[in-house]
Amino acid sequence: ETGVTQSPTHLIKTRGQQVTLRCSSQSGHNTVSWYQQALGQGPQFIFQYYREEENGRGNFPPRFSGLQFPNYSSELNVNALELDDSALYLCASSSRGLNTEAFFGQGTRLTVV
Amino acid sequence: QQQVKQSPQSLIVQKGGIPIINCAYENTAFDYFPWYQQFPGKGPALLIAIRPDVSEKKEGRFTISFNKSAKQFSLHIMDSQPGDSATYFCAAERNTGNQFYFGTGTSLTVIP
Repeated sequence: ETGVTQSPTHLIKTRGQQVTLRCSSQSGHNTVSWYQQALGQGPQFIFQYYREEENGRGNFPPRFSGLQFPNYSSELNVNALELDDSALYLCASSSRGLNTEAFFGQGTRLTVV
Repeated sequence: QQQVKQSPQSLIVQKGGIPIINCAYENTAFDYFPWYQQFPGKGPALLIAIRPDVSEKKEGRFTISFNKSAKQFSLHIMDSQPGDSATYFCAAERNTGNQFYFGTGTSLTVIP
């Protein structure tokens, strides 16, 4: 186990709804990154948070937003859900610095119907 | 545009065989190249990683070969075992602290 926990494990939402996914980072880690993994594809970087500030963003629209809390846990919010948002959402925690190991959670499987 | 291209999409080998997975990249600013292993229902786990200042790195049965001039790198799994059956992803990062570009993945099946 990596010590990175995500909730919920599975989620079904209707198109147009909003969703919040949660991630608890590994103890001692201050950086959380979020990835979207579509079925049969590699993870795609959404954004990263370091010390409660966004620290990099991939090619995702503004309806994908996030937060990081003082205990370094994090939330991913997606507004106006679309069918193509159906995917496994992964968070990864790491320490600040280059080439430090990132530990992934087991993911949240989001299905939009 | 896929920043990191990975092949093959799937691979089946006999136990003891040496599967090889290949990746290629275009962005010369990439400076860290990890390989991740993912089992069904689990998140990816770091297997081995390399920086472009070395041409090969070995950890246990896993070896990365890196060709900077060709902008290619590959994963070799020696003496493969059925427990190695998983999906493998290559990735690359450009000095951003774990903001990775992943390949599309290779599903490896090792037959007993």
